[in-house]
Amino acid sequence: EVQLVESGGGFVQPGGSLRLSCAASGFTFSSYDMHWVRQATGKGLEWVSGIGTAGETYYPDSVKGRFIISRENAWNSLDLQMNSLRAGDTAVYYCARGGEGGSRRLDMDVWGTGTAVTVSS
Amino acid sequence: QSVLTQPPSVSGAPGQRVTISCTGSSSNIGAGYDVHWYQQLPGTAPKLLIYGNNNRPSGVPDRLSGSKSGTSASLAISGLQAEDEADYYCQSYDSSLRNWVFGGGTKLTVL
Repeated sequence: EVQLVESGGGFVQPGGSLRLSCAASGFTFSSYDMHWVRQATGKGLEWVSGIGTAGETYYPDSVKGRFIISRENAWNSLDLQMNSLRAGDTAVYYCARGGEGGSRRLDMDVWGTGTAVTVSS
Repeated sequence: QSVLTQPPSVSGAPGQRVTISCTGSSSNIGAGYDVHWYQQLPGTAPKLLIYGNNNRPSGVPDRLSGSKSGTSASLAISGLQAEDEADYYCQSYDSSLRNWVFGGGTKLTVL
């Protein structure tokens, strides 16, 4: 069964850091692009970062310079290092599978159940 | 404000057909990037419904369909059922922003 399981969420003060992880199983992790998507309570989906099969990384301006996405193919693991956290970063963070390397697919076909991050003093 | 624009809400009676629009621009949908649709039931993670404008993943019923024209796309749901009540999001890629982008979401209410 293809599965993504996030962990690492929690409560952190503004300016603090948090590291999220996503454990992948049931597919060849190294062959797929991966993403993080967040959703604040009552709000829509917001793409947070992406990483390609060759390790190339992508970020929106809202998190560029503060968040770092990485992958460890040997451990089928995706991470998101979040620094200089702000109240506006409070959300449920989802790990999502992107397209297979070499394909033109830019959708996200498998999602984890999410991990909640709260940034507050 | 989202790069892709969706109506905040739509509604329909059981058995009816509803459509949800997704309007973009020349740097995303109009540039030829595919549109994808997700369903999010209350309290759950999003689920891919339509990829590549009009393709259904295995298990998605054929009463759901997608289309794309110019700078817009649509999701159509026919034979509405109570279980279709959810939030729906469109998604594409924007070449100017170099970002994956989502619509603001549409809440479907089955009357």
